[in-house]
Amino acid sequence: DIVMTQSPESLTVSLGERATINCKSSQSLLYTSNNKNYLAWYQQKPGQPPKLLIYWASTRESGVPDRFSGSGSGTDFTLTISSLQAEDVAVYYCQQYYNLLTFGGGTKVEIK
Amino acid sequence: QVQLVESGGGVVQPGRSLRLSCVASGFDFSNYGMHWVRQAPGKGLEWLAFISYDASIIYYAESVKGRFTGSRDNSKNTMFLHVDSLRAEDTALYYCARDQFRSSYWLDHWGQGTLVTVSS
Repeated sequence: DIVMTQSPESLTVSLGERATINCKSSQSLLYTSNNKNYLAWYQQKPGQPPKLLIYWASTRESGVPDRFSGSGSGTDFTLTISSLQAEDVAVYYCQQYYNLLTFGGGTKVEIK
Repeated sequence: QVQLVESGGGVVQPGRSLRLSCVASGFDFSNYGMHWVRQAPGKGLEWLAFISYDASIIYYAESVKGRFTGSRDNSKNTMFLHVDSLRAEDTALYYCARDQFRSSYWLDHWGQGTLVTVSS
């Protein structure tokens, strides 16, 4: 099984500042035949189901604000919120789909 | 718009069985793979199962293989999860989610979930 490890577990950031969430996989998620990283990111607000933000490690889902961006390749990935807004308070999860599916443990983002 | 509505949860005694349902609308259900994911109270997300668009391929997480059985009825736009020998650790909110298309990739729409509580 591919294990996904997120860091930090929680993050406190001032409004308008940058938030950076890391996700590390136990094996490479890069499929060399198509040069794509099999990684997605989700946002889950309290009392709501998760919402897809990013897939293929860096492709933003339709309607997702451009302050959200994904980067990384192989085993190390990052979700960046460039300018934190109040509505971004949530738990964020990474998920691999290289071999079945596995989620990371989540990172809670709060306002300072 | 895409809608997924789960049902079948409730309070169940340990050792009993349960069948969860997910009714889909707003898209061509028979052309999409579907997933079950659960979330224990205050915990993270745990992927459970994938059922391909025609139910010819079903994958399970190792942690539930043998006890959980996924199925679907495309004529009724409905997916099911049968859970046997329920344990306290199965207490969770169970979500159904749509795959981005036919493969087991990312989950682009989720239901609100149905809560299963295993307790005597």
